[in-house]
Amino acid sequence: AQSVTQLDSQVPVFEEAPVELRCNYSSSVSVYLFWYVQYPNQGLQLLLKYLSGSTLVKGINGFEAEFNKSQTSFHLRKPSVHISDTAEYFCAVSDPDQAGTALIFGKGTTLSVSS
Amino acid sequence: DVKVTQSSRYLVKRTGEKVFLECVQDMDHENMFWYRQDPGLGLRLIYFSYDVKMKEKGDIPEGYSVSREKKERFSLILESASTNQTSMYLCASKSDRHFQETQYFGPGTRLLVL
Repeated sequence: AQSVTQLDSQVPVFEEAPVELRCNYSSSVSVYLFWYVQYPNQGLQLLLKYLSGSTLVKGINGFEAEFNKSQTSFHLRKPSVHISDTAEYFCAVSDPDQAGTALIFGKGTTLSVSS
Repeated sequence: DVKVTQSSRYLVKRTGEKVFLECVQDMDHENMFWYRQDPGLGLRLIYFSYDVKMKEKGDIPEGYSVSREKKERFSLILESASTNQTSMYLCASKSDRHFQETQYFGPGTRLLVL
């Protein structure tokens, strides 16, 4: 079964610094990959997704992620963070061969941006 | 815009009560999901449904049941609430159309069982 590992549970950074949130998944077979963000007291919002094609995926709010099949990774990056990026970030995978299946989530990374 | 709504943002219930959490989506999605979110554990799938009256168990179905009588509505039922079911509950929906893989989430229901 698929699993997702988010390597850092908490990432503190200063405003305007770059950030990378790391995500590894367990299987080398085809996958769909997602990053979601959850602001305090809200549901999850899609940041970006990789289904196929270019391995560099751009999302909302200036975030991007790179799919690396050989390393089974999908790390999320932003070159310059803002205070408003403080949130919890979840990496997730799904199996493209099983329509309608649920996402498998990592345990989340809390990004704390301070001034 | 896709909208997924959940009937309550906050609920307080007593141990042993029967609890209903309702979720409604307005995009005619075939698939609907219930997740539970706990600190340090991420989101875990309780049940999902791929069609009206169809349901599949997820990773942690014990103590829960679901109902999907209409395409737009997916209910999660706690038959006899227990304190270890205190959690955040998130509903999501997704289309079956090819490459429409995004799951859309509701705002969540924070349940406290006393």
